[in-house]
Amino acid sequence: SAVISQKPSRDICQRGTSLTIQCQVDSQVTMMFWYRQQPGQSLTLIATANQGSEATYESGFVIDKFPISRPNLTFSTLTVSNMSPEDSSIYLCSVTHRQDSYEQYFGPGTRLTVT
Amino acid sequence: AQKITQTQPGMFVQEKEAVTLDCTYDTSDPSYGLFWYKQPSSGEMIFLIYQGSYDQQNATEGRYSLNFQKARKSANLVISASQLGDSAMYFCAMRPTGNQFYFGTGTSLTVIP
Repeated sequence: SAVISQKPSRDICQRGTSLTIQCQVDSQVTMMFWYRQQPGQSLTLIATANQGSEATYESGFVIDKFPISRPNLTFSTLTVSNMSPEDSSIYLCSVTHRQDSYEQYFGPGTRLTVT
Repeated sequence: AQKITQTQPGMFVQEKEAVTLDCTYDTSDPSYGLFWYKQPSSGEMIFLIYQGSYDQQNATEGRYSLNFQKARKSANLVISASQLGDSAMYFCAMRPTGNQFYFGTGTSLTVIP
């Protein structure tokens, strides 16, 4: 397993501002992902964070809105830019240890409220 | 198409009883993994159990077992001897080949004392 921490755990932000969420893992991992969970909904994959290169975004998500960095094998950031109330969600970081591993572990999540 | 279906939005179970949470899936990939996660009100996603598509036996982890019926494409979670702390949202998920995880809409489980 992996121990994953996220900062901040929660935040309340104003419309039009940006928030950067950090994800730190206690060991080197192969794959890092960012998910969004809107209120009362299931999880939706935003993007795969690639070390040293641009993230791979899923349909409906773009780099300008959700820029992602992954400078090394244990750390990644997700920025939610120019926020609107529709961005109010839980944002979760998740990791796998090996590319062929099916096991995926999640961080504690960041609960974001946009007013 | 890849899809996970959880048809029970809410379930109730008496403490110490067993409960089954339903999950069906659809994929054309021959190799895939099936997962169950628990999400308490705090929001974290807790990994419970995993079943590989080629695994011959049903997975078990303590009080959790996965009733895997490949021909029916179902992967139901069985929780035995329910505890009050089991009250949470439960998500079924599938990972075919590749990185994408597909999640169901979740089942809210309430354990009644």
